[in-house]
Amino acid sequence: GAVVSQHPSRVICKSGTSVKIECRSLDFQATTMFWYRQFPKKSLMLMATSNEGSKATYEQGVEKDKFLINHASLTLSTLTVTSAHPEDSSFYICSALFISGRAYNEQFFGPGTRLTVL
Amino acid sequence: SQELEQSPQSLIVQEGKNLTINCTSSKTLYGLYWYKQKYGEGLIFLMMLQKGGEEKSHEKITAKLDEKKQQSSLHITASQPSHAGIYLCGADYTGTASKLTFGTGTRLQVTL
Repeated sequence: GAVVSQHPSRVICKSGTSVKIECRSLDFQATTMFWYRQFPKKSLMLMATSNEGSKATYEQGVEKDKFLINHASLTLSTLTVTSAHPEDSSFYICSALFISGRAYNEQFFGPGTRLTVL
Repeated sequence: SQELEQSPQSLIVQEGKNLTINCTSSKTLYGLYWYKQKYGEGLIFLMMLQKGGEEKSHEKITAKLDEKKQQSSLHITASQPSHAGIYLCGADYTGTASKLTFGTGTRLQVTL
């Protein structure tokens, strides 16, 4: 399957600082990428849909000024957690939508980034 | 209530035993995806089901989608320690795979 990378895999930051997480599709172009958040022992919660060349679409309850998303190229989307606080500590996973041309499309997931805010 | 329910939440089985994980939707699905996740890692695609009554197999894992397209089961035959992890079902309600709704996950442990 296609490969999606995320960087960094782990980050620890102080409260009040901003953290940028990168999501790259390595062997295909993705006009659409997704950002999810996963709490311990919980399922994935879709935060936003990142569209290349346009504004991201945020899910209800997700603060767009808090979680800035930029999809500047067909292979890169970034999520910036601004003024991070301990409650933002979580596991963030991105995925990239692969348009297969077959009966169904597929999301390929990155390995995730564990953010810890002290 | 959740749109997508997974059961059981956790499962401990002895190596060599069979097991089944269920995923039930409150509404009709366009498609149903099964993923496996190891703790602290990303999701690995297992299978995707789209047609009512469809069944797919890969190695010792079989997934089925019922005729009404509201329930799917994942069956593992002769489980091995390598099967341990978190199994997640993802529902496609739009037909484009562009917005998946995930179940709560099933944590599987396989004992020796």
